[in-house]
Amino acid sequence: QVQLQESGPGLVKPSETLSLTCNVSGSSITSGYVWGWIRQSPGKGLEWIGNIYNSGMAYYNPSLKSRVTISVDRSRNQLSLRVKSVSATDTAIYYCASPYLDANGLQNWLAPWGPGVMVTVSS
Amino acid sequence: ETVLTQSPASLSLSPGERATLSCRASQSVGAHLAWYQQRPGQAPRLLIYDASSRATGIPDRFSGSGSGTDFTLTITNLEPEDFALYFCLQRSDWPPMNTFGQGTKLEIK
Repeated sequence: QVQLQESGPGLVKPSETLSLTCNVSGSSITSGYVWGWIRQSPGKGLEWIGNIYNSGMAYYNPSLKSRVTISVDRSRNQLSLRVKSVSATDTAIYYCASPYLDANGLQNWLAPWGPGVMVTVSS
Repeated sequence: ETVLTQSPASLSLSPGERATLSCRASQSVGAHLAWYQQRPGQAPRLLIYDASSRATGIPDRFSGSGSGTDFTLTITNLEPEDFALYFCLQRSDWPPMNTFGQGTKLEIK
């Protein structure tokens, strides 16, 4: 069973770049159709950040597209997220998510998710 | 961009009762809708995908229905562990994009 673990700095200064990694175990990242990142601001709802597909193509939330990059490191079996020019509004719990293999053998949905990592943007 | 509106924002029920949660899309999403449950301090977990298919290991007291713009998550015979936050999620094939609803909080009465 796939397990995910996010990691990265818990505190980032405004205007700097936030970099997170997601370590994938129990499955090869190359065998998954789609991997994703989602965030949740304190006490608020969920916001989809973006997905990366096994083709290598990544697609992002239009509201974040200009600042976000998602990539895969196949040699390390890791997923990565970079968010540049952060501000207080980027303070959130960040989750990575794996492809869910459904009853039809398709992988269109994201599950399970990692436990999440809290990132605070503050000087 | 498709907007998902969940109702009610919060729902107070007692164990053993039936919960009905709604998710309405601003435009048709076909059956491309999922439901997630989030317990305090935990990551969301997938309950229902493709509008009505239960994910692996999810009890049959959880059921999903609907298509197009109106979707419902029904939880029968509420258990104490069911009191949590519930989110709906839609995915579009092109451009590939996901959108979450704002959530419904199911509370113990």
